[in-house]
Amino acid sequence: DQQVKQNSPSLSVQEGRISILNCDYTNSMFDYFLWYKKYPAEGPTFLISISSIKDKNEDGRFTVFLNKSAKHLSLHIVPSQPGDSAVYFCAASGQAGTALIFGKGTTLSVSS
Amino acid sequence: DAGVIQSPRHEVTEMGQEVTLRCKPISGHNSLFWYRQTMMRGLELLIYFNNNVPIDDSGMPEDRFSAKMPNASFSTLKIQPSEPRDSAVYFCASTQTGVGKLFFGSGTQLSVL
Repeated sequence: DQQVKQNSPSLSVQEGRISILNCDYTNSMFDYFLWYKKYPAEGPTFLISISSIKDKNEDGRFTVFLNKSAKHLSLHIVPSQPGDSAVYFCAASGQAGTALIFGKGTTLSVSS
Repeated sequence: DAGVIQSPRHEVTEMGQEVTLRCKPISGHNSLFWYRQTMMRGLELLIYFNNNVPIDDSGMPEDRFSAKMPNASFSTLKIQPSEPRDSAVYFCASTQTGVGKLFFGSGTQLSVL
């Protein structure tokens, strides 16, 4: 059974608008959450993270929100750009430096 | 700085053949991870090492899969014999223990015919 779930396989957004990618998790022991971005024929690259002691973390156009009671996190991209088109993976771990558990990914397409 | 280096980038083989995937982690990183990406299962953890010692291999699909890390700068993932259902992209990642984010290589695209 998947511990990290990304229920939307794909998302299409217009350039300049907000992209919201969602992620749910089941394991209450997870205390560190990350988002990775992946372009075709490349490995995933780290985008942004949040620890369970926070409910929001912001880095430029990217903001991650964490709702621990709902076991839900989301990634907001504002404004979206065509170069943001990629697969976005949500990941979680119970301890820094241990293995990350990934969701299946959401493919974001930003049209100009 | 060089990132995580994987070889080969692409591997095409026939069912029943042995396949060996290679990984060189980032220098100074003491944790190494092997992941597999498929459409059905997304990115799934196969095995990870801390200080060259396997910590969790529960994700290894079956006995046909084995992984080694003979030293801090090299790891292999071997499939013997290979089967068509092993076709996937295999990623290696590394990090320093206590650091949350992993650094991934470019992956090996494996096709078993």
